[in-house]
Amino acid sequence: SQKIEQNSEALNIQEGKTATLTCNYTNYSPAYLQWYRQDPGRGPVFLLLIRENEKEKRKERLKVTFDTTLKQSLFHITASQPADSATYLCALDAHNTDKLIFGTGTRLQVFP
Amino acid sequence: NAGVTQTPKFQVLKTGQSMTLQCAQDMNHNSMYWYRQDPGMGLRLIYYSASEGTTDKGEVPNGYNVSRLNKREFSLRLESAAPSQTSVYFCASGGGDSSSYEQYFGPGTRLTVT
Repeated sequence: SQKIEQNSEALNIQEGKTATLTCNYTNYSPAYLQWYRQDPGRGPVFLLLIRENEKEKRKERLKVTFDTTLKQSLFHITASQPADSATYLCALDAHNTDKLIFGTGTRLQVFP
Repeated sequence: NAGVTQTPKFQVLKTGQSMTLQCAQDMNHNSMYWYRQDPGMGLRLIYYSASEGTTDKGEVPNGYNVSRLNKREFSLRLESAAPSQTSVYFCASGGGDSSSYEQYFGPGTRLTVT
């Protein structure tokens, strides 16, 4: 069956360091992958989309990589700040449609 | 632009009661979605609508019905609530075309069924 895995343990890092979050998937051939941010008590907010033919995408301090051979995406936040503390969700398209399948998310805590 | 709005924000129901969750978007998106989010389970798709007048089941549709009233509005109905439907419900909308796959979420409805 299709499966998306994100590290369920919280990631704690010091302000200024680079945070790296991992999203692994099995039994999928997604056309694209997305990353969302979710703050407590709020809905997810779209951050970045990367397509299967793209290796890397950047937006300000964010960088996403997509390795279709390893079936893995890495999400990097450089020069992290306490305001980056949130849960980050990865999502894949379901069978090349606009329906998404979400991972369970990884909670990031950036401490001063 | 208000984006995606949902009502109510909180609701407590007794087992067997019914209710409708309302969702509206002002971004002229074609597609709309209903998800539920439970601890450790992530977001799971309940129902989906690619356009006005069309709906499709998602991963967990049992116990729910939906109506795509027009392009802006997509409602979710629980006919006979059960404790297993205690969850946070999110509505989302998206372009639904090849140039715009990102989804925009509402603030959520926190539902407790006792």
